[in-house]
Amino acid sequence: GAVVSQHPSRVICKSGTSVKIECRSLDFQATTMFWYRQFPKQSLMLMATSNEGSKATYEQGVEKDKFLINHASLTLSTLTVTSAHPEDSSFYICSARGPNDHRADTQYFGPGTRLTVL
Amino acid sequence: RKEVEQDPGPFNVPEGATVAFNCTYSNSASQSFFWYRQDCRKEPKLLMSVYSSGNEDGRFTAQLNRASQYISLLIRDSKLSDSATYLCVVFNAGNMLTFGGGTRLMVKP
Repeated sequence: GAVVSQHPSRVICKSGTSVKIECRSLDFQATTMFWYRQFPKQSLMLMATSNEGSKATYEQGVEKDKFLINHASLTLSTLTVTSAHPEDSSFYICSARGPNDHRADTQYFGPGTRLTVL
Repeated sequence: RKEVEQDPGPFNVPEGATVAFNCTYSNSASQSFFWYRQDCRKEPKLLMSVYSSGNEDGRFTAQLNRASQYISLLIRDSKLSDSATYLCVVFNAGNMLTFGGGTRLMVKP
């Protein structure tokens, strides 16, 4: 199946710093990428949907100025957590879908990035 | 009310047991339904799709009841390796996946 990678897999940073997480589709062109956040013992919550070359669509309650999403190419989307605080500590997971993939089971997940803000 | 609701568990069962998980969804216009498996600190992985006619994949059987907006997953002959969190997932017209909170399964020797 299709492969999606995320980098870094784990990051620890100080409060107030910014952290960038990359999501790459390795063997297909991802026209749409999704960013999720998962707190301990909770489910995945969609943060935003990004389409290549256009602005991301954020879910209600997600601050777009704090979580900057860039999807400048068909294989790369980045999520930048600006001025991170301890409450931003979470597991961030991206997923990607190709141009002809409109079924749910053709949405491929990255391995996730665990962010810890001290 | 959450859009997709599951009993969080944990379900603690011995090896070889049969265990069933249930899920309800609130959006009657939901289009398709899935069970995902998520291991600790890993990404979710698609386990199986769920159809009204029911579908089976080895020891796993999934069933959808559209009238009741209810989805189930049955695992027979549980293995230690089945220990994980099982996520009920609904796909809506907005082309988005909505995840339930997950049900944690612990299979013990």
